Amino acid sequence: RKEVEQDPGPFNVPEGATVAFNCTYSNSASQSFFWYRQDCRKEPKLLMSVYSSGNEDGRFTAQLNRASQYISLLIRDSKLSDSATYLCVSHSGNTPLVFGKGTRLSVIA
Amino acid sequence: DGGITQSPKYLFRKEGQNVTLSCEQNLNHDAMYWYRQDPGQGLRLIYYSQIVNDFQKGDIAEGYSVSREKKESFPLTVTSAQKNPTAFYLCASNGGRDTEQFFGPGTRLTVL
Repeated sequence: RKEVEQDPGPFNVPEGATVAFNCTYSNSASQSFFWYRQDCRKEPKLLMSVYSSGNEDGRFTAQLNRASQYISLLIRDSKLSDSATYLCVSHSGNTPLVFGKGTRLSVIA
Repeated sequence: DGGITQSPKYLFRKEGQNVTLSCEQNLNHDAMYWYRQDPGQGLRLIYYSQIVNDFQKGDIAEGYSVSREKKESFPLTVTSAQKNPTAFYLCASNGGRDTEQFFGPGTRLTVL
């Protein structure tokens, strides 16, 4: 069973803090990776794709380490609005995406 | 606007009744998916379809059935054989390999 593992948290951090999440994936054939954000009682939405070279979008940075089979998400200058569950996702070929169970983040004023 | 619609948002049914959840997309996506999410839990794949008139079981297909007669539509039937059907059901689609998967807003099913 190909899986994605994440620390469920919760991560409780003060506003302005930097927080990092890691996840590991078991399928070495995985070719693409994503981070999704899910707010309480809502559907998941794409936060960012994860490229081999790493990518940055404002306060968010995603990195991929293929040798160790892990993906990371770094959030700088945390905002109250960043409070959500962050889902790590791997994908291989034409098979369905494999979702982690998510890491819960709570940013506190 | 393109997107995925699911209806209804909330659904209540009596135990022993079959119920069908609607999922429609106008994104021209070939692949569609149904997930179930229980409180505080991750997404679990029920069924998926990569092309019209074809679908495959996911990890928890027992007690569910689907059809894919049109590209735009992928309805899910929760049958009376599903032992614990109360959950949040999410439909999704994507347009091909390595592309973003879009989700509908979900249907919360409560079986009384």
